[in-house]
Amino acid sequence: EAGVTQSPTHLIKTRGQQATLRCSPISGHTSVYWYQQALGLGLQFLLWYDEGEERNRGNFPPRFSGRQFPNYSSELNVNALELEDSALYLCASSLDGRHTGELFFGEGSRLTVL
Amino acid sequence: AQSVTQLGSHVSVSEGALVLLRCNYSSSVPPYLFWYVQYPNQGLQLLLKYTSAATLVKGINGFEAEFKKSETSFHLTKPSAHMSDAAEYFCAVSGDTDKLIFGTGTRLQVFP
Repeated sequence: EAGVTQSPTHLIKTRGQQATLRCSPISGHTSVYWYQQALGLGLQFLLWYDEGEERNRGNFPPRFSGRQFPNYSSELNVNALELEDSALYLCASSLDGRHTGELFFGEGSRLTVL
Repeated sequence: AQSVTQLGSHVSVSEGALVLLRCNYSSSVPPYLFWYVQYPNQGLQLLLKYTSAATLVKGINGFEAEFKKSETSFHLTKPSAHMSDAAEYFCAVSGDTDKLIFGTGTRLQVFP
């Protein structure tokens, strides 16, 4: 069974550009989560999608946005990139939206903003 | 609101020594607690979780953690470290919010 897959693995952008990151959850999982892992800051919760709807978002500006498609895959968009957006972006999926179970993580997309 | 504090951003042990990684949580409702591990250039994988059953939780790779409500702690231990245990470890809590809150992580180094 395929795990959570993310693309691209690495992405280099310049300040002011836009970045789009993609995530495919494990087959059968309806919930997708996005986390930002910046150096020294641990994992910061970005967004949670379930059944195509945004259920919750973390303390990030509106230029961080995303969506979940009917096949439950998800996209994270970051507009007007800033240097501090450089980080590893991790996507995770779970069988449902209850936060009592395991999250399955992808290997991440490393975004570098120059 | 919920939060997690991991004491010590870096821990170093010798191979064969006890591993102790500390985690304290804050939650206004009974929490669900997790330990995840991240090996270099990989995503996170679940080591173990506490969901209000037994307070001593056994996980993969010989790790275990004990939920102590009076101390609001969920420390991770392993009796004997292996070189392959070198990784970053994250404690996480969920409960009364619609998200899983992670700590800032502890990097474990194992020396031969």
